Amino acid sequence: EAQVTQNPRYLITVTGKKLTVTCSQNMNHEYMSWYRQDPGLGLRQIYYSMNVEVTDKGDVPEGYKVSRKEKRNFPLILESPSPNQTSLYFCASSLRTGLRVGELFFGEGSRLTVL
Amino acid sequence: AQSVTQLDSQVPVFEEAPVELRCNYSSSVSVYLFWYVQYPNQGLQLLLKYLSGSTLVKGINGFEAEFNKSQTSFHLRKPSVHISDTAEYFCAVSGRQAGTALIFGKGTTLSVSS
Repeated sequence: EAQVTQNPRYLITVTGKKLTVTCSQNMNHEYMSWYRQDPGLGLRQIYYSMNVEVTDKGDVPEGYKVSRKEKRNFPLILESPSPNQTSLYFCASSLRTGLRVGELFFGEGSRLTVL
Repeated sequence: AQSVTQLDSQVPVFEEAPVELRCNYSSSVSVYLFWYVQYPNQGLQLLLKYLSGSTLVKGINGFEAEFNKSQTSFHLRKPSVHISDTAEYFCAVSGRQAGTALIFGKGTTLSVSS
């Protein structure tokens, strides 16, 4: 089954304790992206990757890191989480057709709480 | 740069009534347009998309949207809604050039009651 898998789905952590949210897709998609969803703000892009070893900042990259060493994986790293990073996070992937990004396929989300 | 404005944050309707969720965008270049739906406690899934061609686009679950270039709008419509359509709906825009991100609106919560 074609899917985007995120882990963990739920996490409560404390300020400053490094954490990683994993994302894996089995559709051989070139494009992958991380979003955070907050009430009243919709989805905001954190980082995206057009291909292996190519990553770019989105609208709200501060406090996050990503890496794209393999095509299928795109982990999101919070080196020193803070309470303002409490949010619902979504990973998404897409088949990049030519120069444009196609339909996005989303994971089920990871709800993160930073105390 | 692109931006998206969803004009209504919440739309309450009764079952079997028609509904329109409004979306306006701004862009200095040609765009692709999308509507996504998020059911409670789930991720987003694509409802429909406009890439080129006919300005009236039909999607899943009986939804359709019309691309209006002169008014820079991409409103979503359904002639008769069901309780199961209760969800959050996101309009999104992407420029056609390489490396353009997909920009989402802030969402419209559609609440269908009996």
